[in-house]
Amino acid sequence: EDQVTQSPEALRLQEGESSSLNCSYTVSGLRGLFWYRQDPGKGPEFLFTLYSAGEEKEKERLKATLTKKESFLHITAPKPEDSATYLCAVLISGNTPLVFGKGTRLSVIA
Amino acid sequence: DSGVTQTPKHLITATGQRVTLRCSPRSGDLSVYWYQQSLDQGLQFLIQYYNGEERAKGNILERFSAQQFPDLHSELNLSSLELGDSALYFCASSENPAGKDQETQYFGPGTRLLVL
Repeated sequence: EDQVTQSPEALRLQEGESSSLNCSYTVSGLRGLFWYRQDPGKGPEFLFTLYSAGEEKEKERLKATLTKKESFLHITAPKPEDSATYLCAVLISGNTPLVFGKGTRLSVIA
Repeated sequence: DSGVTQTPKHLITATGQRVTLRCSPRSGDLSVYWYQQSLDQGLQFLIQYYNGEERAKGNILERFSAQQFPDLHSELNLSSLELGDSALYFCASSENPAGKDQETQYFGPGTRLLVL
């Protein structure tokens, strides 16, 4: 069975304290790995897509990386506005549903 | 703003009732996906439509059904509602399977359903 596991479940950081979120996956074949940000009561907001091991993508204070078994979302010098739940999802084949992890709830304290 | 719209934003109803949730995909997107998010379950895939045809089914109850219309908007019908159906329901859309950059799913703001 295809599985996506995110860790930690929750993370509390001081403003400026860099850290990483982990997404490990066990799937029969990976077509793509997606990162989303979700604020409470809102829809997931697309951040990145990664397609192959070694690929990296960056956006402001966020950088996503991919290996053959996991992905990391690195947050550099976070600010309180980065507080949200970060969701990882995998796409097994084209035009199919995403399989989501349960997310990491990030809190950044000023 | 993702370009995906959902109505209504909130819905409060009683057990045993039937409701319809509506989704309009981004302009040009052919695929529509419905997901359910409850507090302890995370995002669970319900059903996918591609250009009017059902493409994939996930953990969708028999009491739930959906369709995609010729103008590509989609409706999710939930009937014989139970307390446990209370959740956030999200619609997402993507372009088509022709290329990797067109597979990103963009999510709407969701409909919060409360069954009392």
